[in-house]
Amino acid sequence: GAGVSQSPSNKVTEKGKDVELRCDPISGHTALYWYRQSLGQGLEFLIYFQGNSAPDKSGLPSDRFSAERTGGSVSTLTIQRTQQEDSAVYLCASSLTYVGQDSPLHFGNGTRLTVT
Amino acid sequence: SQQGEEDPQALSIQEGENATMNCSYKTSINNLQWYRQNSGRGLVHLILIRSNEREKHSGRLRVTLDTSKKSSSLLITASRAADTASYFCATDARDDKIIFGKGTRLHILP
Repeated sequence: GAGVSQSPSNKVTEKGKDVELRCDPISGHTALYWYRQSLGQGLEFLIYFQGNSAPDKSGLPSDRFSAERTGGSVSTLTIQRTQQEDSAVYLCASSLTYVGQDSPLHFGNGTRLTVT
Repeated sequence: SQQGEEDPQALSIQEGENATMNCSYKTSINNLQWYRQNSGRGLVHLILIRSNEREKHSGRLRVTLDTSKKSSSLLITASRAADTASYFCATDARDDKIIFGKGTRLHILP
């Protein structure tokens, strides 16, 4: 079956432009997570969804970042007025149930964002 | 702040040797998971250990969990070149917010 799909795989944008990153989770997966990974670093938690709701948005780096999930499926992460420090790989993951119920995360291959 | 911290940051061993990586965390957890990442893109789930478990095996992988010390270890036995990757621990701190450590970069020498 299809895994987690992220698009685009690579995005180059000019500083100040807005970008939208898309994540298609595995069908039927309830939970969806967004992470950011800078070169050679660990994963920085951004936000997660239970269904269409995001109980905790505290990981979003600034108010330029927003995310939504519709129909309990596709999620988009939007970065407004991009800055060079936003350059990173943005990773999306989904899980069948909430991880507290011992459901592992399935990751997409990420979107590599480069802000010039 | 990071919930999990892996140790060492980098590890190089000869093929065939065993590799051990450690993870420490800060708060009470439901479970702890280990993931592998190749080429800086998507992560692959390796093994999950529940908070009431002390040890778990999967093929050449052995994971231990000590909740009193808030630490876990991942042992890869009889390492292979294909095991070269970054390894991350991730904890579910009972709020469904899954937090990853900074990872251990493992390099298997031929």
